[in-house]
Amino acid sequence: GAGVSQSPSNKVTEKGKDVELRCDPISGHTALYWYRQRLGQGLEFLIYFQGNSAPDKSGLPSDRFSAERTGESVSTLTIQRTQQEDSAVYLCASSDEAQGFRNEKLFFGSGTQLSVL
Amino acid sequence: GQQLNQSPQSMFIQEGEDVSMNCTSSSIFNTWLWYKQDPGEGPVLLIALYKAGELTSNGRLTAQFGITRKDSFLNISASIPSDVGIYFCAGHGGSQGNLIFGKGTKLSVKP
Repeated sequence: GAGVSQSPSNKVTEKGKDVELRCDPISGHTALYWYRQRLGQGLEFLIYFQGNSAPDKSGLPSDRFSAERTGESVSTLTIQRTQQEDSAVYLCASSDEAQGFRNEKLFFGSGTQLSVL
Repeated sequence: GQQLNQSPQSMFIQEGEDVSMNCTSSSIFNTWLWYKQDPGEGPVLLIALYKAGELTSNGRLTAQFGITRKDSFLNISASIPSDVGIYFCAGHGGSQGNLIFGKGTKLSVKP
């Protein structure tokens, strides 16, 4: 597609349930990022995928958070046993990067607004 | 870890006025970027700065990379209603570093 696509755009869940968020990056973009944006806050880095390299998981806040990416395409972010503090907008971004060099020009999706009741 | 302090947190201005916002860091960055986020959308890159002292314009927007490499500012001239949104600064420390984002400046424009 023309841009980064995320689904669902909104997700309401009950505390303790698992949720899965999806991201379709721009075709041909090798790098994919997940960020979390809490209300009124900046973007908090979660995880980074680049090609076949091991992902950079240094931003994941707990072991309830995990993410996968199939090749250089779709990525899913999974949050297990959701808590109220997980409520936020989860943004995905992709960029066209050479191996070993991070490109700061990220293209963002519109995000998934997650609300945990 | 690295942090960015962005100010002001919010601005409410009259249409036609000029706007200035800035970002400071506790550490040096190699690249400074400014993004704008419209309501319900993801951030969009406005300007990227790569060299200390660099001054770059994009239409009515002008941004500068501070000489110390620890700060940057963004100016918007003759603001219009569609300038409304949240402006984020972001710093990049190097080839392997992650983008660090400020908390944003929320701009509201009164027609």
